[in-house]
Amino acid sequence: TQLLEQSPQFLSIQEGENLTVYCNSSSVFSSLQWYRQEPGEGPVLLVTVVTGGEVKKLKRLTFQFGDARKDSSLHITAAQPGDTGLYLCAGVKSSGGYQKVTFGTGTKLQVIP
Amino acid sequence: DTGVSQDPRHKITKRGQNVTFRCDPISEHNRLYWYRQTLGQGPEFLTYFQNEAQLEKSRLLSDRFSAERPKGSFSTLEIQRTEQGDSAMYLCASSLGDRVTDTQYFGPGTRLTVL
Repeated sequence: TQLLEQSPQFLSIQEGENLTVYCNSSSVFSSLQWYRQEPGEGPVLLVTVVTGGEVKKLKRLTFQFGDARKDSSLHITAAQPGDTGLYLCAGVKSSGGYQKVTFGTGTKLQVIP
Repeated sequence: DTGVSQDPRHKITKRGQNVTFRCDPISEHNRLYWYRQTLGQGPEFLTYFQNEAQLEKSRLLSDRFSAERPKGSFSTLEIQRTEQGDSAMYLCASSLGDRVTDTQYFGPGTRLTVL
């Protein structure tokens, strides 16, 4: 079973602080995705990174894919209460003709006003 | 709203009862997936359909679980003789089947509580 470990598991910070979430695996993936999930809702895709070493920015969020395509990080600058939620990384591999998505263990973020 | 929909959103049942959940994917999507998510954890893959064909099942899908997609549109997930360990959020996702990206779009989930 492929396992993606996220750290930290929980994070509670003040509004305006910066934070980084890490996603690590021993497996190589064709791409890596980051999702955010709010209570009672399904995960919503934030970004997909495909190339080793790739960096993508989405407003205050910066995503990086490791050179070996086994790990990734999510950095949030000047966190806001609206960033509160469960952040999930997910490794993608081709399997039987479809893109199999394996989710990480999740990081629960709380941003306090 | 043309996103993935799931019904019911919440289900409370007694141990030993059977439950059935429904998922309606985005209309033009030919791929459909079921996942299970326990509190604070990431979703775990259960099964995958390409049109009406069930092409992959996880070891998590015990004999008490069955999924169907009879006409290649909506899907149902049935759990027979529910156990307390079945309590979880059951998520459905669909994708277009595009070879390049094949992004999965998730529904809001059905939260099952087994008493």
